[in-house]
Amino acid sequence: NAGVMQNPRHLVRRRGQEARLRCSPMKGHSHVYWYRQLPEEGLKFMVYLQKENIIDESGMPKERFSAEFPKEGPSILRIQQVVRGDSAAYFCASSPGLAESYEQYFGPGTRLTVT
Amino acid sequence: GESVGLHLPTLSVQEGDNSIINCAYSNSASDYFIWYKQESGKGPQFIIDIRSNMDKRQGQRVTVLLNKTVKHLSLQIAATQPGDSAVYFCAENRGGSYIPTFGRGTSLIVHP
Repeated sequence: NAGVMQNPRHLVRRRGQEARLRCSPMKGHSHVYWYRQLPEEGLKFMVYLQKENIIDESGMPKERFSAEFPKEGPSILRIQQVVRGDSAAYFCASSPGLAESYEQYFGPGTRLTVT
Repeated sequence: GESVGLHLPTLSVQEGDNSIINCAYSNSASDYFIWYKQESGKGPQFIIDIRSNMDKRQGQRVTVLLNKTVKHLSLQIAATQPGDSAVYFCAENRGGSYIPTFGRGTSLIVHP
C-alpha cells in the first residue's frame, strides 16, 4: 500500500523558469493539501484541494502560484517565473476526507532550489 | 528533559531517558491536536493525536497531555532511543477545519 508520492524529490530551476511539483495521494484519499517549509520552520499551509475543486487557497500567493487536482492523475503545484525566495521544501499530504477525521499523511517532499 | 514553545529549541537527552516536548497553542477554538515527527530529509510522520474532550492519550512509548486551561500540549516519549532523534511539531485544528496550523518544532537529539 504505497504512501503519498511526490516527484521530483529535488528540483533545480533558474530564476524565471517554471516549476511543476507532482503529488499522488494515498489510494482512496480524495483530499490533498500542499505545504511549504523553510529551513528550521514549521509547515505553512498553501492550498487544500479535492478532486477537480480548490477548497481553500488562503495560503497560496496570489501571483505565480497555482494548484490543481484533476479527476485523473496527480495533483500539481505550479510555480511560474520562480524567484530565489521560492526555494523551499514543498510537502503534499492527503487524507480520506472522512467527517471528523483530520489525520493527514505526508509525502517525502520536493526540495526546490532556485539559482 | 523539557523543552518549551514554538521556537525550534533543541532538546538533548541520553538514550533511555524520558523526553518531554512542550507546545503552547494559540487558538482556544482548536479542538484537535496532533504531534508529528520529521526526520531529516523526510516528510512529517503522524505520531499521536488528541481531541479536546480528552486530557491524556497514550500510544506506544508516547503520551500526549492536553491542558486546555492554559492552552498547553505536551508529548512525552518514554525510554528515548537514538531513532527518536528528529524534529517534533505540534499542530492544531480549529473546530471543523481540515487545515492544521503547525508550530515551529523542537529538535530532539538522543545521545547513545
